[in-house]
Amino acid sequence: QKEVEQNSGPLSVPEGAIASLNCTYSDRGSQSFFWYRQYSGKSPELIMSIYSNGDKEDGRFTAQLNKASQYVSLLIRDSQPSDSATYLCAVNDFGNEKLTFGTGTRLTIIP
Amino acid sequence: SAVISQKPSRDICQRGTSLTIQCQVDSQVTMMFWYRQQPGQSLTLIATANQGSEATYESGFVIDKFPISRPNLTFSTLTVSNMSPEDSSIYLCSVAGLAGDSSFGPGTRLTVL
Repeated sequence: QKEVEQNSGPLSVPEGAIASLNCTYSDRGSQSFFWYRQYSGKSPELIMSIYSNGDKEDGRFTAQLNKASQYVSLLIRDSQPSDSATYLCAVNDFGNEKLTFGTGTRLTIIP
Repeated sequence: SAVISQKPSRDICQRGTSLTIQCQVDSQVTMMFWYRQQPGQSLTLIATANQGSEATYESGFVIDKFPISRPNLTFSTLTVSNMSPEDSSIYLCSVAGLAGDSSFGPGTRLTVL
């Protein structure tokens, strides 16, 4: 059974610092990797996707993927209080539209 | 990405009753997914709903407890049957995006007393 693991946190980061969120996955066949942000009482929203090894940057967010180590991470630069949320890592296989979600990391940005 | 609506947004139900949750998408989609998110937990896939065929259920979920309908390419329903307090959760409808990701509806918050 596919597993996706994240530190549940809570992770506290001072405002303006870099928040680093990590995720490991068990299935070497996983092809697509996603980071979702979920505010309390809201549904998840996609913030980053990554498909190949290396870094992908989008504004203050950088996703990093290392398939050999089965590891994906999300860096948030210049953290803002509005970044306080639960971050969910999700993976799927090529041609499979089902996502497997990690347990989520609760991030708190301290003003 | 698709715009997804769900009804009801929340409900409080008595033990032993059933609730049907509706999911409407603003475009035609092949696959729709139903997830459950229990308090403080991550998302667990209940089933995949394809138009014109029976839903495919994940391990631990059965059709008698969670019957699903998919009458057309823009609509699906999930029924939570014979409810118990353990069924108190947020139920989320989602559809697959072109990039393999999923978009989610706003969710239905269910409390079973």
